[in-house]
Amino acid sequence: AQSVTQLGSHVSVSEGALVLLRCNYSSSVPPYLFWYVQYPNQGLQLLLKYTSAATLVKGINGFEAEFKKSETSFHLTKPSAHMSDAAEYFCAVKGSGNYQLIWGAGTKLIIKP
Amino acid sequence: GAGVSQSPSNKVTEKGKDVELRCDPISGHTALYWYRQSLGQGLEFLIYFQGNSAPDKSGLPSDRFSAERTGGSVSTLTIQRTQQEDSAVYLCASSLAASEGVNEQFFGPGTRLTVL
Repeated sequence: AQSVTQLGSHVSVSEGALVLLRCNYSSSVPPYLFWYVQYPNQGLQLLLKYTSAATLVKGINGFEAEFKKSETSFHLTKPSAHMSDAAEYFCAVKGSGNYQLIWGAGTKLIIKP
Repeated sequence: GAGVSQSPSNKVTEKGKDVELRCDPISGHTALYWYRQSLGQGLEFLIYFQGNSAPDKSGLPSDRFSAERTGGSVSTLTIQRTQQEDSAVYLCASSLAASEGVNEQFFGPGTRLTVL
């Protein structure tokens, strides 16, 4: 069965600093992995997805994530945080069925001025 | 439409009353999902519709919860005899058919349900 673990329910970084949000997954099949962002009082929006092509995936708003099979990780990074990045970020893995996503609990990113 | 829409955006109800939440998916999307997001929690899968196939109701937490999708488009999630623990944000998402590959789910803004 698939599962997703996001380390840290809250992550705080200073504006301009590196953002690193951690996601580890377990999957019995080659995974498809996703990062979604949720701004306050809004629905979720896809940041990026890994579907077995390049292991380094670039997404919107300067975010990227690297798929590391040996570490079963798909961490999200951004070189320089901006105040507008403050949001909640969710990692998800495609389930064993052909449609369901298995979601992490989310990480709230706080940007300090 | 341009995106997934949900109504109402906020709903306050009294314990024991029934509520209906509506989702209007993106035109052409045959797959539709309902999720529940409680405060500080991740997304809890509720139900999935795909075209004319029987829905996957495996995530519905009790028989007070039901959903239907009319004409393969608009969906309504109904909660009967609401309880305080039903208070949450209910999110709807739609996508192209899953059989066509790994398709992005597009989310609506959600309905915030508060049961007093």
